[in-house]
Amino acid sequence: AQSVTQLGSHVSVSEGALVLLRCNYSSSVPPYLFWYVQYPNQGLQLLLKYTSAATLVKGINGFEAEFKKSETSFHLTKPSAHMSDAAEYFCAVTEPTGNQFYFGTGTSLTVIP
Amino acid sequence: DTGVSQDPRHKITKRGQNVTFRCDPISEHNRLYWYRQTLGQGPEFLTYFQNEAQLEKSRLLSDRFSAERPKGSFSTLEIQRTEQGDSAMYLCASRDFSEAKNIQYFGAGTRLSVL
Repeated sequence: AQSVTQLGSHVSVSEGALVLLRCNYSSSVPPYLFWYVQYPNQGLQLLLKYTSAATLVKGINGFEAEFKKSETSFHLTKPSAHMSDAAEYFCAVTEPTGNQFYFGTGTSLTVIP
Repeated sequence: DTGVSQDPRHKITKRGQNVTFRCDPISEHNRLYWYRQTLGQGPEFLTYFQNEAQLEKSRLLSDRFSAERPKGSFSTLEIQRTEQGDSAMYLCASRDFSEAKNIQYFGAGTRLSVL
């Protein structure tokens, strides 16, 4: 069975500050992990993915995430927040041969000017 | 490649009415998925197709829900006798099964409001 826990349903940061969004996963097999971003009234856009290659993954818009097997975590970071980063962020897990994604409940990021 | 498109973007209906949504996947993507997203939650899997075959259905997909992908291209999701609890965003995603990284590409969704 697979699941994702996103700690903190709401995160606020100042513009220019570090962004850290937490994701812990549970999987009975080596997982594939994803971060998606959702802007209001829009679908999900892929930010980055971990698919068993490098554990530090770089994505779009300056985001990156590190896969830590020992901690079962895949936290999303960005060194300096921008106003345009304000959105809902979802972490998802799947098996490499899996048929569906299991999403976390999301973290709403607010960027304070 | 125009991405995954969904129609309509918004649908308002009265309880008890039937509604149908359409999803056009990225061309040549053989897998197509439907998810439901309620307010404050992440998307939840409903069903998926490999070409025209519906291979898996979630327990969330009650008998009032039916999905088709008749020619292995676009898909429709129909909800019969809608209930207020059906109000949600319905998301469609597609992927190329031969692509190893298992990336699903999402459409913008159809937001359903049942009055």
